[in-house]
Amino acid sequence: EVQLVESGGGLVQPGRSLKLSCVASGFTFSNYGMNWIRQAPGKGLEWVAYISSGSSYIYYAETVKGRFTISRDNAKNTLYLQMTSLRSEDTALYYCARHGTEGPYWYFDFWGPGTMVTVSS
Amino acid sequence: DTVLTQSPALAVSPGERVTISCRASESVSTGMHWYQQKPGQQPKLLIYGASNLESGVPARFSGSGSGTDFTLTIDPVEADDTATYFCQQSWNDLTFGSGTKLEIK
Repeated sequence: EVQLVESGGGLVQPGRSLKLSCVASGFTFSNYGMNWIRQAPGKGLEWVAYISSGSSYIYYAETVKGRFTISRDNAKNTLYLQMTSLRSEDTALYYCARHGTEGPYWYFDFWGPGTMVTVSS
Repeated sequence: DTVLTQSPALAVSPGERVTISCRASESVSTGMHWYQQKPGQQPKLLIYGASNLESGVPARFSGSGSGTDFTLTIDPVEADDTATYFCQQSWNDLTFGSGTKLEIK
Protein backbone atom coordinates (compact mmCIF):
# COMPACT_ATOMS: atom_id res chain seq x y z
CA GLU A 1 0.00 0.00 0.00
CA VAL A 2 1.33 3.40 -0.99
CA GLN A 3 1.86 5.66 2.02
CA LEU A 4 3.14 9.20 2.30
CA VAL A 5 3.54 10.72 5.75
CA GLU A 6 4.49 14.34 6.21
CA SER A 7 6.01 15.90 9.32
CA GLY A 8 7.79 19.03 10.47
CA GLY A 9 4.94 21.51 10.46
CA GLY A 10 4.21 23.88 13.30
CA LEU A 11 3.89 27.48 14.40
CA VAL A 12 6.68 29.74 13.18
CA GLN A 13 7.24 33.50 13.22
CA PRO A 14 7.33 35.51 10.00
CA GLY A 15 10.80 35.58 8.47
CA ARG A 16 11.86 32.33 10.10
CA SER A 17 12.55 28.94 8.54
CA LEU A 18 11.03 25.47 8.71
CA LYS A 19 11.85 22.14 7.09
CA LEU A 20 9.17 19.63 6.15
CA SER A 21 9.73 15.93 5.55
CA CYS A 22 7.68 13.27 3.79
CA VAL A 23 8.48 9.59 4.28
CA ALA A 24 7.30 7.29 1.51
CA SER A 25 6.56 3.57 1.63
CA GLY A 26 4.78 0.93 -0.40
CA PHE A 27 6.41 1.81 -3.73
CA THR A 28 9.86 2.33 -5.24
CA PHE A 29 10.38 5.94 -4.20
CA SER A 30 13.43 6.44 -6.44
CA ASN A 31 11.32 5.79 -9.56
CA TYR A 32 8.88 8.65 -9.05
CA GLY A 33 8.83 12.41 -9.25
CA MET A 34 7.41 14.05 -6.15
CA ASN A 35 5.60 17.27 -5.35
CA TRP A 36 4.62 19.57 -2.53
CA ILE A 37 1.14 21.07 -2.72
CA ARG A 38 -0.47 23.33 -0.14
CA GLN A 39 -3.97 24.29 0.92
CA ALA A 40 -4.61 27.42 2.95
CA PRO A 41 -7.37 27.07 5.57
CA GLY A 42 -10.74 26.99 3.85
CA LYS A 43 -9.12 27.64 0.49
CA GLY A 44 -8.21 25.77 -2.67
CA LEU A 45 -5.09 23.91 -3.64
CA GLU A 46 -1.80 25.41 -4.80
CA TRP A 47 1.07 23.44 -6.30
CA VAL A 48 4.36 24.46 -4.64
CA ALA A 49 7.27 22.45 -6.02
CA TYR A 50 8.32 19.38 -8.03
CA ILE A 51 11.45 17.24 -8.03
CA SER A 52 12.19 14.49 -10.53
CA SER A 53 13.08 10.96 -9.47
CA GLY A 54 16.82 11.57 -9.64
CA SER A 55 16.67 15.24 -8.60
CA SER A 56 17.74 16.40 -12.06
CA TYR A 57 14.66 18.53 -12.63
CA ILE A 58 13.25 20.91 -10.03
CA TYR A 59 10.46 23.43 -10.49
CA TYR A 60 8.80 25.94 -8.17
CA ALA A 61 5.70 28.05 -8.11
CA GLU A 62 6.48 31.74 -8.53
CA THR A 63 5.06 32.43 -5.08
CA VAL A 64 7.83 30.43 -3.38
CA LYS A 65 10.72 30.64 -5.82
CA GLY A 66 13.88 31.79 -4.08
CA ARG A 67 12.50 31.04 -0.62
CA PHE A 68 11.68 27.31 -0.69
CA THR A 69 13.96 24.42 -1.65
CA ILE A 70 12.72 20.95 -2.51
CA SER A 71 15.07 17.98 -2.16
CA ARG A 72 15.00 14.23 -1.68
CA ASP A 73 17.05 11.37 -0.26
CA ASN A 74 16.22 8.22 -2.20
CA ALA A 75 18.22 6.06 0.21
CA LYS A 76 15.90 7.20 3.00
CA ASN A 77 12.71 7.29 0.90
CA THR A 78 12.25 10.86 2.06
CA LEU A 79 11.18 14.09 0.41
CA TYR A 80 11.97 17.49 1.94
CA LEU A 81 10.85 21.09 1.69
CA GLN A 82 13.10 23.72 3.22
CA MET A 83 11.12 26.90 3.72
CA THR A 84 12.84 30.20 4.50
CA SER A 85 11.67 33.82 4.84
CA LEU A 86 8.24 32.56 5.75
CA ARG A 87 5.25 34.87 5.35
CA SER A 88 1.74 34.80 6.75
CA GLU A 89 0.46 33.82 3.32
CA ASP A 90 2.49 30.60 3.53
CA THR A 91 0.14 29.40 6.27
CA ALA A 92 -1.37 26.19 4.90
CA LEU A 93 -1.65 22.44 5.12
CA TYR A 94 1.30 21.11 3.14
CA TYR A 95 0.78 17.86 1.23
CA CYS A 96 3.40 15.59 -0.23
CA ALA A 97 2.10 14.04 -3.46
CA ARG A 98 3.44 11.43 -5.86
CA HIS A 99 3.72 12.42 -9.50
CA GLY A 100 1.48 10.56 -11.92
CA THR A 101 3.18 8.71 -14.76
CA GLU A 102 0.58 8.19 -17.48
CA GLY A 103 0.90 10.08 -20.75
CA PRO A 104 2.20 13.64 -21.03
CA TYR A 105 0.14 14.75 -18.07
CA TRP A 106 1.15 16.34 -14.81
CA TYR A 107 -1.09 15.05 -12.04
CA PHE A 108 -0.83 13.65 -8.53
CA ASP A 109 -1.85 10.05 -7.94
CA PHE A 110 -1.23 9.69 -4.18
CA TRP A 111 -1.27 12.30 -1.45
CA GLY A 112 -0.20 12.23 2.17
CA PRO A 113 -2.48 13.51 4.96
CA GLY A 114 -0.50 16.75 5.20
CA THR A 115 1.34 18.75 7.84
CA MET A 116 0.12 22.15 9.01
CA VAL A 117 2.35 25.21 8.83
CA THR A 118 1.20 28.36 10.61
CA VAL A 119 3.18 31.55 10.14
CA SER A 120 2.27 34.07 12.82
CA SER A 121 3.89 36.32 15.39
CA ASP B 1 -2.22 31.73 -15.26
CA THR B 2 -5.04 29.58 -16.56
CA VAL B 3 -8.06 30.10 -14.33
CA LEU B 4 -10.36 27.16 -13.71
CA THR B 5 -13.95 28.02 -12.80
CA GLN B 6 -16.16 25.58 -10.89
CA SER B 7 -19.64 26.09 -9.46
CA PRO B 8 -19.35 26.31 -5.66
CA ALA B 9 -21.92 23.77 -4.58
CA LEU B 10 -24.42 21.15 -5.69
CA ALA B 11 -27.01 19.04 -3.89
CA VAL B 12 -28.42 15.81 -5.28
CA SER B 13 -30.26 12.75 -4.01
CA PRO B 14 -28.77 9.25 -3.88
CA GLY B 15 -29.22 7.34 -7.11
CA GLU B 16 -29.27 10.46 -9.27
CA ARG B 17 -26.76 11.45 -11.92
CA VAL B 18 -24.66 14.52 -11.20
CA THR B 19 -22.38 16.49 -13.48
CA ILE B 20 -19.71 18.77 -12.07
CA SER B 21 -18.28 21.28 -14.49
CA CYS B 22 -14.92 22.98 -14.83
CA ARG B 23 -14.28 25.73 -17.34
CA ALA B 24 -10.76 26.84 -18.25
CA SER B 25 -9.94 30.44 -19.20
CA GLU B 26 -7.90 29.11 -22.16
CA SER B 27 -7.51 25.76 -23.85
CA VAL B 28 -5.83 23.04 -21.81
CA SER B 29 -6.29 20.32 -24.45
CA THR B 30 -6.94 17.13 -22.45
CA GLY B 31 -4.65 18.15 -19.58
CA MET B 32 -7.45 18.14 -17.02
CA HIS B 33 -7.60 15.98 -13.89
CA TRP B 34 -10.17 15.51 -11.12
CA TYR B 35 -9.80 14.90 -7.40
CA GLN B 36 -12.19 14.08 -4.58
CA GLN B 37 -11.53 15.52 -1.13
CA LYS B 38 -13.68 14.28 1.73
CA PRO B 39 -13.85 16.41 4.90
CA GLY B 40 -10.64 16.16 6.91
CA GLN B 41 -8.92 13.99 4.31
CA GLN B 42 -6.34 14.47 1.60
CA PRO B 43 -7.39 14.70 -2.06
CA LYS B 44 -7.79 11.48 -4.02
CA LEU B 45 -7.22 11.21 -7.76
CA LEU B 46 -10.31 10.18 -9.73
CA ILE B 47 -9.67 11.05 -13.37
CA TYR B 48 -6.51 12.00 -15.28
CA GLY B 49 -6.13 13.23 -18.83
CA ALA B 50 -9.75 14.41 -18.92
CA SER B 51 -11.31 10.96 -19.28
CA ASN B 52 -9.05 8.25 -17.88
CA LEU B 53 -10.35 6.53 -14.76
CA GLU B 54 -7.68 6.05 -12.11
CA SER B 55 -7.16 2.46 -11.03
CA GLY B 56 -9.41 1.46 -8.15
CA VAL B 57 -11.92 4.27 -8.69
CA PRO B 58 -15.50 3.04 -9.18
CA ALA B 59 -16.83 3.12 -12.73
CA ARG B 60 -19.64 5.38 -11.46
CA PHE B 61 -17.15 8.19 -11.98
CA SER B 62 -16.35 9.40 -15.49
CA GLY B 63 -14.77 12.43 -17.07
CA SER B 64 -15.19 14.14 -20.42
CA GLY B 65 -14.22 17.25 -22.31
CA SER B 66 -11.34 18.91 -24.07
CA GLY B 67 -10.20 22.44 -24.73
CA THR B 68 -11.95 24.67 -22.20
CA ASP B 69 -15.00 22.74 -20.99
CA PHE B 70 -14.79 19.64 -18.83
CA THR B 71 -17.22 17.53 -16.86
CA LEU B 72 -16.97 15.02 -14.05
CA THR B 73 -20.02 12.75 -13.93
CA ILE B 74 -21.08 10.53 -11.05
CA ASP B 75 -23.83 8.08 -11.95
CA PRO B 76 -25.41 6.93 -9.76
CA VAL B 77 -24.48 9.12 -6.80
CA GLU B 78 -24.07 7.43 -3.41
CA ALA B 79 -24.16 8.95 0.07
CA ASP B 80 -20.41 8.34 0.43
CA ASP B 81 -19.74 10.72 -2.48
CA THR B 82 -20.23 13.72 -0.20
CA ALA B 83 -17.03 15.67 -0.81
CA THR B 84 -15.44 18.62 -2.54
CA TYR B 85 -14.35 17.92 -6.11
CA PHE B 86 -11.41 19.81 -7.58
CA CYS B 87 -10.29 20.07 -11.17
CA GLN B 88 -6.63 20.67 -12.00
CA GLN B 89 -5.05 21.55 -15.34
CA SER B 90 -1.50 20.80 -16.42
CA TRP B 91 -1.39 22.22 -19.94
CA ASN B 92 -0.39 25.76 -19.00
CA ASP B 93 1.64 25.62 -15.81
CA LEU B 94 -0.35 24.03 -12.97
CA THR B 95 -3.56 25.39 -11.52
CA PHE B 96 -6.50 24.05 -9.54
CA GLY B 97 -10.14 25.03 -9.56
CA SER B 98 -11.69 26.33 -6.34
CA GLY B 99 -13.73 23.18 -5.89
CA THR B 100 -17.38 22.11 -6.02
CA LYS B 101 -18.88 20.97 -2.74
CA LEU B 102 -21.26 18.08 -3.39
CA GLU B 103 -23.99 17.43 -0.85
CA ILE B 104 -26.04 14.26 -0.95
CA LYS B 105 -29.55 15.01 0.29
